[in-house]
Amino acid sequence: KAGVTQTPRYLIKTRGQQVTLSCSPISGHRSVSWYQQTPGQGLQFLFEYFSETQRNKGNFPGRFSGRQFSNSRSEMNVSTLELGDSALYLCASSSTLGAYYEQYFGPGTRLTVT
Amino acid sequence: GNSVTQMEGPVTLSEEAFLTINCTYTATGYPSLFWYVQYPGEGLQLLLKATKADDKGSNKGFEATYRKETTSFHLEKGSVQVSDSAVYFCASDSNYQLIWGAGTKLIIKP
Repeated sequence: KAGVTQTPRYLIKTRGQQVTLSCSPISGHRSVSWYQQTPGQGLQFLFEYFSETQRNKGNFPGRFSGRQFSNSRSEMNVSTLELGDSALYLCASSSTLGAYYEQYFGPGTRLTVT
Repeated sequence: GNSVTQMEGPVTLSEEAFLTINCTYTATGYPSLFWYVQYPGEGLQLLLKATKADDKGSNKGFEATYRKETTSFHLEKGSVQVSDSAVYFCASDSNYQLIWGAGTKLIIKP
């Protein structure tokens, strides 16, 4: 099976712009999660979607939003970019079958805000 | 809320040394526990997991045992290699998300 893919891999934006990141989960996986990774804050949970419904959301401002499509692909959007939004954005998918919740990660999108 | 605490790095070892990276958690209920590894320039990879107390997860020579009495999930390897150099993250699951430790950078010298 193909792994989780994320596009684009690298992105440079200026303050005030908006950006959309895309994630394609492993085939058959219906849950997609997004995380932000920075050297200072580590890994922080953004949101999780299952069958187009957001089931949980992290503690991020409303500028961060996401959605999931019927084919389980997901996008996240950041509006009015700030310098502090520079980070590696990781997407993970999960089948949510079984008694545990095992996530498979994509390579990430490196966002730089100047 | 739930949290995960792991030892700070970097941890520097010589090749073939014994490795322990400590991880403890706080949680309501009994979460599943995970170790993920991130090699330089790459995304996160699941290294091993345990879903209930006394379970031992193992992979690539790494092991970790789910200890409910000490709320711990320490990562161990008997003989590390240079190729094990990476950042290791301990995590627990809660309400459709993973709760992460801060990560421990491991440096193995030849």
